[in-house]
Amino acid sequence: NAGVMQNPRHLVRRRGQEARLRCSPMKGHSHVYWYRQLPEEGLKFMVYLQKENIIDESGMPKERFSAEFPKEGPSILRIQQVVRGDSAAYFCASSPLTPGGYTGYTFGSGTRLTVV
Amino acid sequence: GIQVEQSPPDLILQEGANSTLRCNFSDSVNNLQWFHQNPWGQLINLFYIPSGTKQNGRLSATTVATERYSLLYISSSQTTDSGVYFCAVLNSGAGSYQLTFGKGTKLSVIP
Repeated sequence: NAGVMQNPRHLVRRRGQEARLRCSPMKGHSHVYWYRQLPEEGLKFMVYLQKENIIDESGMPKERFSAEFPKEGPSILRIQQVVRGDSAAYFCASSPLTPGGYTGYTFGSGTRLTVV
Repeated sequence: GIQVEQSPPDLILQEGANSTLRCNFSDSVNNLQWFHQNPWGQLINLFYIPSGTKQNGRLSATTVATERYSLLYISSSQTTDSGVYFCAVLNSGAGSYQLTFGKGTKLSVIP
């Protein structure tokens, strides 16, 4: 049973380009969460999605960032017109159930975005 | 929101030594997890421990939810234990699902 799969592992973009980060949850998990880790900091919540629904995007920057989790395929975190401050590690996590039947998050290996 | 404080922020150990890492949180929680971020950046789930004690090899963890703290014990440390240890909590409450992370304890184990 493969874990949470993220790709690419490393992504370099020039300022102004678009970055697309992909996340495939664990088999049987229908809840996906994106977190961002800035250098020397802990992870911060960005967005929570279920299939075809954004449940909570309260941690997403207001502009340039968007996320989706289509009926088929991986979840995508999209950053338009990247700036140097977007350089960070982006982690995806999945869980099988909403809190109440909760057994903990499993995180992917992350995508390290570098904006040059 | 809930506050999570970890101590110490940095720790240097000689290989073979034991250590205790602490996580304090400011409100009641219904989930607590310990993670190890290795030097390559991977985030490894160590324990899901909202209460009680668990052990896995040289690692064990105890959460006393009523007193709002958790401890991670590392015995007979090895160089491969180096990295950052994060505590993350899920605030109790209807519909809560956002993990709040502490700032981590950076552990360096030297030969």
